[in-house]
Amino acid sequence: DVKVTQSSRYLVKRTGEKVFLECVQDMDHENMFWYRQDPGLGLRLIYFSYDVKMKEKGDIPEGYSVSREKKERFSLILESASTNQTSMYLCASSLPGSGHTDTQYFGPGTRLTVL
Amino acid sequence: LAKTTQPISMDSYEGQEVNITCSHNNIATNDYITWYQQFPSQGPRFIIQGYKTKVTNEVASLFIPADRKSSTLSLPRVSLSDTAVYYCLVGDPSGNNDMRFGAGTRLTVKP
Repeated sequence: DVKVTQSSRYLVKRTGEKVFLECVQDMDHENMFWYRQDPGLGLRLIYFSYDVKMKEKGDIPEGYSVSREKKERFSLILESASTNQTSMYLCASSLPGSGHTDTQYFGPGTRLTVL
Repeated sequence: LAKTTQPISMDSYEGQEVNITCSHNNIATNDYITWYQQFPSQGPRFIIQGYKTKVTNEVASLFIPADRKSSTLSLPRVSLSDTAVYYCLVGDPSGNNDMRFGAGTRLTVKP
């Protein structure tokens, strides 16, 4: 089974802090994704990565950056956390071109609260 | 990006069949239709994917009419454990990463 793990289930930070959210997958997937999920808005794509050192902006990249130094690890960085970044953050990975599915496998999520 | 429209919420009772319809009027030729399920405090998980006509697996069936401008996820004989949010996505799964999650449909199954 594919396993996607996220470094923390719950995180509390203060406004202005630099925040790192880590995601690791164990299936050698090339694609990795970061989403945030807010009530009534569903999942919104922040950034994704096709391969090591590759990154693409999603729909809401402002205030975030990412790092992919190793294939299995994709980090989301909040350079200066703000209260409007309080949210559930979900990481996912997929293997492109795997038949027709390109199924995304999700981690359990990190609930971040910025005070 | 193909946009999808789903009902915000639905209620059902145990043992009933539930059909959730998704509209995707601007679906492209290479696009597939994919459904995910999300339980509280978990990430979404893949349920089913199809291109046309009907697809069935152990969890659900997916019905896609000839014009492909909509699709219906069918859950047979739901139980309380099927209470979840269901997302419809449309896009090319060949690796272009153009699939997007919307707000989903919150299904509540009552006893």
